[in-house]
Amino acid sequence: GAGVSQSPRYKVAKRGQDVALRCDPISGHVSLFWYQQALGQGPEFLTYFQNEAQLDKSGLPSDRFFAERPEGSVSTLKIQRTQQEDSAVYLCASSLEGWPNEKLFFGSGTQLSVL
Amino acid sequence: DAKTTQPNSMESNEEEPVHLPCNHSTISGTDYIHWYRQLPSQGPEYVIHGLTSNVNNRMASLAIAEDRKSSTLILHRATLRDAAVYYCILRDGEKLTFGTGTRLTIIP
Repeated sequence: GAGVSQSPRYKVAKRGQDVALRCDPISGHVSLFWYQQALGQGPEFLTYFQNEAQLDKSGLPSDRFFAERPEGSVSTLKIQRTQQEDSAVYLCASSLEGWPNEKLFFGSGTQLSVL
Repeated sequence: DAKTTQPNSMESNEEEPVHLPCNHSTISGTDYIHWYRQLPSQGPEYVIHGLTSNVNNRMASLAIAEDRKSSTLILHRATLRDAAVYYCILRDGEKLTFGTGTRLTIIP
């Protein structure tokens, strides 16, 4: 079956440009997560959805970062006025319910480079 | 989430067993121990998880100390495809909190 799909795979943006990153979770998965991974580091939590409700956005680094999941399936992570420090791989993950004993399924990520 | 401590890197010979250690001395009674691995240019991949008892699946085994303050991921027969960064994570709530993991190198 299809896994978690992210697009685009690569994105190059000029500083100050707005970008939108898309995540298609596994069908039927209630929980959706966004992570940011800088080069050589482990993934850092950004935000979490349960269906369309954004239950935790404590990891979003600034108000330039915004995530939505309006119909409880596809999610979009938007970064406004991109800065060089936003360059990273953005990972999306989904799980069936979100319980601590469940596994997360990750996409391959979107590599964002801000010039 | 409680913290975990892992060696930065390890090496193992191909077709040999690999034991990846993880210390989590501040683990709480409701923390699950999860292991994920990340191959180059890919997202993390679930390996195994457990709470108190040792666990086995087709990928690996997880040995959990009796006091739960440490655990070991066991790859029974390493192949070149097992070269990756392995993350040991304690999970209580919804999210996973990754550390820096152990970079495993497999020597042919």
